[in-house]
Amino acid sequence: GENVEQHPSTLSVQEGDSAVIKCTYSDSASNYFPWYKQELGKRPQLIIDIRSNVGEKKDQRIAVTLNKTAKHFSLHITETQPEDSAVYFCAASGNSNYQLIWGAGTKLIIKP
Amino acid sequence: DTGVSQNPRHKITKRGQNVTFRCDPISEHNRLYWYRQTLGQGPEFLTYFQNEAQLEKSRLLSDRFSAERPKGSFSTLEIQRTEQGDSAMYLCASSLTGGDEKLFFGSGTQLSVL
Repeated sequence: GENVEQHPSTLSVQEGDSAVIKCTYSDSASNYFPWYKQELGKRPQLIIDIRSNVGEKKDQRIAVTLNKTAKHFSLHITETQPEDSAVYFCAASGNSNYQLIWGAGTKLIIKP
Repeated sequence: DTGVSQNPRHKITKRGQNVTFRCDPISEHNRLYWYRQTLGQGPEFLTYFQNEAQLEKSRLLSDRFSAERPKGSFSTLEIQRTEQGDSAMYLCASSLTGGDEKLFFGSGTQLSVL
């Protein structure tokens, strides 16, 4: 079955710098790759997603890139702000969201 | 509040007791999912409904767990004879079919089994 690995487990960046979180997946049939942000004690919230027919997607300071050949996808956050501090999860699925397989999460710390 | 609602927010129970959680999805969403999340881990899929039909259940799910969505609206998740290993955050999510199927999560029910 699908396996999703996420790195790093913790990422600390200076406010204003960029942050990059990477995920790899094992099932070449996976075609949907969302990213969720979870603040401490709160619900996961979808921040951006990408489908396999697209190589890159951007939404303001957030972008996701997908390399199907290498089976990896990455989240890029530019001009980081204190409110970006949270745990970020990547996920991958094939036919439907109920088959979402999640990464273990990356704790992003924005240093003032 | 038009988001996904879960009750209770916290539940403390003794080992061996039964517990039931409720989820009210976004009203126009016909898909409903239950996940479990432990500290430092991503959500783990438990089960999934489309309308009132339970279409998928994780093979990892013990038979002590049962979920219902009798009228295709709210759902309940029951855990019988709770064990300490059941302690976790139980998350509900909902989505639309036919669209981009983005998942919207509730705030979860934090279960502590003593």
